[in-house]
Amino acid sequence: SQTIHQWPATLVQPVGSPLSLECTVEGTSNPNLYWYRQAAGRGLQLLFYSIGIGQISSEVPQNLSASRPQDRQFILSSKKLLLSDSGFYLCAWSIRVNQPQHFGDGTRLSIL
Amino acid sequence: DQQVKQNSPSLSVQEGRISILNCDYTNSMFDYFLWYKKYPAEGPTFLISISSIKDKNEDGRFTVFLNKSAKHLSLHIVPSQPGDSAVYFCAASIAGNQFYFGTGTSLTVIP
Repeated sequence: SQTIHQWPATLVQPVGSPLSLECTVEGTSNPNLYWYRQAAGRGLQLLFYSIGIGQISSEVPQNLSASRPQDRQFILSSKKLLLSDSGFYLCAWSIRVNQPQHFGDGTRLSIL
Repeated sequence: DQQVKQNSPSLSVQEGRISILNCDYTNSMFDYFLWYKKYPAEGPTFLISISSIKDKNEDGRFTVFLNKSAKHLSLHIVPSQPGDSAVYFCAASIAGNQFYFGTGTSLTVIP
């Protein structure tokens, strides 16, 4: 069966520091991969999605970036975190478009 | 601009009764809808989906209804159980990767 791993579960970072969140999927090949953010009191907002290695689509302009160095690995990065980057970050995968997305357990990011 | 809205942030229901969670959307081009359930400190878990060519889909205690003319989606849980207490998100997409999520409704099932 397929599983998705996301780490770390919680992270506290100072303003201006870099960020790297990692997500890996097991048990499937060539999944579609997604990064979402849930800010306090808001719904899930799609940040990036990828349909293949090196293929990244960005939905919202921001100081975050995403990379997919391997088929089942998706990384969310920032060179300099802002206070507004605080939130709950979720990675998800789906077998193809317009299919249910399956989520990891998320990373709670707090910026100080 | 919030294209998918869940106007009730919370709902309380007695165990054994029906829970009805509602969702409204603004984009008539949405053709695929889903409901997710989320427990604290966990990611959302897929519950049930419906295509725009249908108006109802059932899976056990969960039924999703779609009213395209009203741009309204609802999730019925019958009978409600304490383990159903969670935050429920609806989501919609237009034949692609971009799913738009509502802000969630927190359901509490009272034993």
